[in-house]
Amino acid sequence: SQKIEQNSEALNIQEGKTATLTCNYTNYSPAYLQWYRQDPGRGPVFLLLIRENEKEKRKERLKVTFDTTLKQSLFHITASQPADSATYLCALDYGGSSASKIIFGSGTRLSIRP
Amino acid sequence: SAVISQKPSRDICQRGTSLTIQCQVDSQVTMMFWYRQQPGQSLTLIATANQGSEATYESGFVIDKFPISRPNLTFSTLTVSNMSPEDSSIYLCSVGRSTNEKLFFGSGTQLSVL
Repeated sequence: SQKIEQNSEALNIQEGKTATLTCNYTNYSPAYLQWYRQDPGRGPVFLLLIRENEKEKRKERLKVTFDTTLKQSLFHITASQPADSATYLCALDYGGSSASKIIFGSGTRLSIRP
Repeated sequence: SAVISQKPSRDICQRGTSLTIQCQVDSQVTMMFWYRQQPGQSLTLIATANQGSEATYESGFVIDKFPISRPNLTFSTLTVSNMSPEDSSIYLCSVGRSTNEKLFFGSGTQLSVL
């Protein structure tokens, strides 16, 4: 069965540093991978989507890479701020072309200390 | 974007009773999903709500326990039947406009079963 692993349950870094979160997957070759942010008591909010033919995608201070050989995605937040503190989830679609079934990793709880 | 209204936002229920959760979207969407998020855990897909037909359930979830309706392209309900304390969780409605695209989430329904 498909499996997604985010190898850090929690990450605590100093403000201003770059936070790097890892997402690994097995038993599947997704056409794309997504990253979401979830704050306590709220539903996840979409951040970035990267397709299998894209090596890297950026949005403001966010950067995502996608290595289909390693079956891994890295999510970077540069110049991190306390407001970036949240749980970050990676997700992939294993439904194929006929339907979408997006499954989520276990999440990484990121804390940025001032 | 899509604005999702999910009701109720929280409820405390007695064992053996049922609760119906409503999900209303401000515009027509192709895909609607129901997820469960147990305390401290990531999201688990319960089922895909199909408009005008029976929902598609994931492994471990059955229609008798989690009946789902989707009468049109903007509305769906999830019922948690014959509840037990193990059903205590956050239930999230999610929508997508097309395959291979991002999901939008409601704020969730926090359910506690006594």
